[in-house]
Amino acid sequence: NAGVTQTPKFRVLKTGQSMTLLCAQDMNHEYMYWYRQDPGMGLRLIHYSVGEGTTAKGEVPDGYNVSRLKKQNFLLGLESAAPSQTSVYFCASSYSYETQYFGPGTRLLVL
Amino acid sequence: GDSVTQMEGPVTLSEEAFLTINCTYTATGYPSLFWYVQYPGEGLQLLLKATKADDKGSNKGFEATYRKETTSFHLEKGSVQVSDSAVYFCALRLVGTGTASKLTFGTGTRLQVTL
Repeated sequence: NAGVTQTPKFRVLKTGQSMTLLCAQDMNHEYMYWYRQDPGMGLRLIHYSVGEGTTAKGEVPDGYNVSRLKKQNFLLGLESAAPSQTSVYFCASSYSYETQYFGPGTRLLVL
Repeated sequence: GDSVTQMEGPVTLSEEAFLTINCTYTATGYPSLFWYVQYPGEGLQLLLKATKADDKGSNKGFEATYRKETTSFHLEKGSVQVSDSAVYFCALRLVGTGTASKLTFGTGTRLQVTL
């Protein structure tokens, strides 16, 4: 039982490049979330999903897209990376009102 | 909007000292309150939670009481250990805002415990 895993762990991008962050969970959770963590700002919700095939915007969705084609996977895409997207990205999953379980994070640097 | 305010860190304590990390919140409804902990290089883990006023959450020697009258959820531990060094996040979730458990986090407080 791996819990929540994230790929990659670290990535460096140039401005304008694209990439996809992968989150996978093996707990059969319906709900999945993407957050970004920035110094002095805590965690902010980017997008979330309440089930396979659904997505919704969070607090800071601009510049990101997501997809939930399979229940266990939640992908976060950056179509044209900007330096302002340098951050640590965390994925989490949960049952409806239950505890959120977090992955180990992906550190992204955009030059 | 809803928000969580935590004391700024870092908090530096000697082992066996008493810990308090302050957390206050602003919410339009009736939130559930949480403390998450992030150890170096890891994701966040739930430490404790309280779902209604006067509830006390506890885990691993940490405690926090949901105080509606002061809109607070301060984290306490009687005797900290070096292994408690981490970043602590206070968070809230509004009840009745849909089935997705959306959390609003504070900015985090770094705790450093020394021998």
